[in-house]
Amino acid sequence: KNEVEQSPQNLTAQEGEFITINCSYSVGISALHWLQQHPGGGIVSLFMLSSGKKKHGRLIATINIQEKHSSLHITASHPRDSAVYICAPPSGNTPLVFGKGTRLSVIA
Amino acid sequence: EPEVTQTPSHQVTQMGQEVILRCVPISNHLYFYWYRQILGQKVEFLVSFYNNEISEKSEIFDDQFSVERPDGSNFTLKIRSTKLEDSAMYFCASRQWEAKQFFGPGTRLTVL
Repeated sequence: KNEVEQSPQNLTAQEGEFITINCSYSVGISALHWLQQHPGGGIVSLFMLSSGKKKHGRLIATINIQEKHSSLHITASHPRDSAVYICAPPSGNTPLVFGKGTRLSVIA
Repeated sequence: EPEVTQTPSHQVTQMGQEVILRCVPISNHLYFYWYRQILGQKVEFLVSFYNNEISEKSEIFDDQFSVERPDGSNFTLKIRSTKLEDSAMYFCASRQWEAKQFFGPGTRLTVL
């Protein structure tokens, strides 16, 4: 079973700040998802990455498979980025294993 | 952009009743999933479905649960005899080969 640890668990930032969320997992994997869960409950898959770095708009995700570590960065944060961010490795036949995530609040 | 849809958005039922939650995955996707999230808790995997059969299921997915893809477009989750603890948000997701999962908006199930 893959144990997932995210830090921080809660994060409050001022608008415009650069944000980093870290994810460590216990079992080697071939890929990892970053997801965003909005306050209303909807889940959006942000990235699936297996190596290096991916960028989409103001979001950047990096992964180091050997060190079993991934990070999600948000540049120029905005209040609409307020959400729970979840890293989720696949398990078995690639269903996602969700952690509790990081609750981000961005204040204007 | 194609999206996963789910109906109903909210279902209220009495304990012991059967419910069917419906999902329409993205049309060219191959893998289908159900997850659930009890209020205030993390999202939990229930079942994955590929090639018209269950490929993996969690301990939560007991004999009270079943899934079906009856017509090549819908993907359903049936709970035969609902319990109070089945109250949760249920999410459907789908994906192509080696790609990220796309989630539906969820169905909130309330068991009274």
